[in-house]
Amino acid sequence: AQSVTQLDSQVPVFEEAPVELRCNYSSSVSVYLFWYVQYPNQGLQLLLKYLSGSTLVKGINGFEAEFNKSQTSFHLRKPSVHISDTAEYFCAVSEVGGNQFYFGTGTSLTVIP
Amino acid sequence: ETGVTQTPRHLVMGMTNKKSLKCEQHLGHNAMYWYKQSAKKPLELMFVYNFKEQTENNSVPSRFSPECPNSSHLFLHLHTLQPEDSALYLCASSQEWGGNIQYFGAGTRLSVL
Repeated sequence: AQSVTQLDSQVPVFEEAPVELRCNYSSSVSVYLFWYVQYPNQGLQLLLKYLSGSTLVKGINGFEAEFNKSQTSFHLRKPSVHISDTAEYFCAVSEVGGNQFYFGTGTSLTVIP
Repeated sequence: ETGVTQTPRHLVMGMTNKKSLKCEQHLGHNAMYWYKQSAKKPLELMFVYNFKEQTENNSVPSRFSPECPNSSHLFLHLHTLQPEDSALYLCASSQEWGGNIQYFGAGTRLSVL
């Protein structure tokens, strides 16, 4: 089974500052990688995904993530955050050919005015 | 709007009550999932249905009983729950089991008194 580690449970950042949310996974096999965002009182919304190809993936709302196979990481970044980015962010991994999604424990991003 | 609708959004029930959660997807997907989301824990996969057949039951107590009458609808029947069952219950769907993107509903916030 996979394990997905989101080292930072809470990340406060000032508005218009850059942010990076970290995600590491344990698998040595081929994987698909995802970031989901959960706004208060809502379900999970897909932010971006890596399935194959370019290791730099762009998603909605100006977010991007880079797949680093050697470091088994898929960190999420945004160059300038907005108040509306305040939410919980979940990293998820599934093995190519596998049936399960594995989620991290989430990172709570708070954007400070 | 993700195409996955859950009702009710909020539910308060006593330990002796019987209630049901409903999930409906309008995406033409063949796989549906129930997850439990508790504070500061990874999402816990509870059940998976693929083409209306249950394919996963991750050691979920029998007080949770799923039902999938067709590929578009998924229910979670609840009876004699415990206070520790209070959580956000999320439904998701994907094109097929093991599909590489899951789409989530907004969830049902359940409180067991």
